[in-house]
Amino acid sequence: DTEVTQTPKHLVMGMTNKKSLKCEQHMGHRAMYWYKQKAKKPPELMFVYSYEKLSINESVPSRFSPECPNSSLLNLHLHALQPEDSALYLCASSQQGAQPQHFGDGTRLSIL
Amino acid sequence: QQQVKQSPQSLIVQKGGISIINCAYENTAFDYFPWYQQFPGKGPALLIAIRPDVSEKKEGRFTISFNKSAKQFSLHIMDSQPGDSATYFCAASMINTGKLIFGQGTTLQVKP
Repeated sequence: DTEVTQTPKHLVMGMTNKKSLKCEQHMGHRAMYWYKQKAKKPPELMFVYSYEKLSINESVPSRFSPECPNSSLLNLHLHALQPEDSALYLCASSQQGAQPQHFGDGTRLSIL
Repeated sequence: QQQVKQSPQSLIVQKGGISIINCAYENTAFDYFPWYQQFPGKGPALLIAIRPDVSEKKEGRFTISFNKSAKQFSLHIMDSQPGDSATYFCAASMINTGKLIFGQGTTLQVKP
């Protein structure tokens, strides 16, 4: 079992829906990350939060909106997604923005 | 200069054999080199990592060899087992930053 928990494990949504992905860690890490992973490709960094503040946005479209309510929780709000946004969305955490990063098992997202 | 090049793309090894995956980087500022193992439906799991001040690190059947002058590092899996069948990603980072630069991945199949 991973120490980074992501819910839901699977999500199917239409292009007009609004949904949220959740990530939780209890390792006392102060940096949390969202990645997108397409099949047979490496994870691509989307956002980094450090001490609950957004520190890196890798030019992600505004239909993806991250939120870090506290040091243990990370959300990714989804709205008006496109079929090409179908992917595995991974959350990771690390101590104070350093390495190593610990990944959750992801949310498999399908856009109809 | 931020790229990490990984080879081979896929690898088939007989049970008990040695699996070798190679990576090369360009940015000499990188100082942390992890390997991640990913099974289908799971997130990447940290397998082993090395800093450039050592040339080799061994953990059980897994060894990283590091050549600083050549800017190359490799993963050796000794006595490969069918349970090692997974996708392996090398990565590089500056240890005090949040950005991991991943290689393209190697799909390893260990035949019984």
